[in-house]
Amino acid sequence: AQSVTQLDSQVPVFEEAPVELRCNYSSSVSVYLFWYVQYPNQGLQLLLKYLSGSTLVKGINGFEAEFNKSQTSFHLRKPSVHISDTAEYFCAVGPNSGTYKYIFGTGTRLKVLA
Amino acid sequence: DAGITQSPRHKVTETGTPVTLRCHQTENHRYMYWYRQDPGHGLRLIHYSYGVKDTDKGEVSDGYSVSRSKTEDFLLTLESATSSQTSVYFCAISESRNNEQFFGPGTRLTVL
Repeated sequence: AQSVTQLDSQVPVFEEAPVELRCNYSSSVSVYLFWYVQYPNQGLQLLLKYLSGSTLVKGINGFEAEFNKSQTSFHLRKPSVHISDTAEYFCAVGPNSGTYKYIFGTGTRLKVLA
Repeated sequence: DAGITQSPRHKVTETGTPVTLRCHQTENHRYMYWYRQDPGHGLRLIHYSYGVKDTDKGEVSDGYSVSRSKTEDFLLTLESATSSQTSVYFCAISESRNNEQFFGPGTRLTVL
């Protein structure tokens, strides 16, 4: 069965510092990976996705993620965060063959400090 | 932004009453999903639909039913609401099985 683990429930970081949000997945077949961001009282918005091809994926708002098959990871990074990046971030794995279900991690709350 | 709306946006109801939440899309996407979001649990899939009249259960389907009589609408019904169903409910749509999902704004449901 597929699963997604986000090890850090909260990550505090100072403004203009780099940040990495960790995501590990478990899947026995091809994977489709996603990062979403959720601002307070809003729905989720797609940050970036990995479907195939280059393992380094660039997304919106200066975020990027690297797909690492050997370590089954898809960590999200940003070289310099802003106050406006304060939000909750969710990693998700897309459906395997024969299913339509996306599996989400429990989320990482990023708090950017002035 | 994807054309996806949810109604109502907020609802307070009493234990034992039936509740129906509506998800409406204007994107003509085939796949639609209902999730609930609770602190510490992330998003958990309740039910999903892969076409008109084609639905299936997710991981937390007990106490919920769904219907999809046309492409644009996906209804979630709590047959007899309980306090454990107090949550924020999100609808999502997807054009293809392995591509990204687009999420609605959510419905905050409180069951007293």
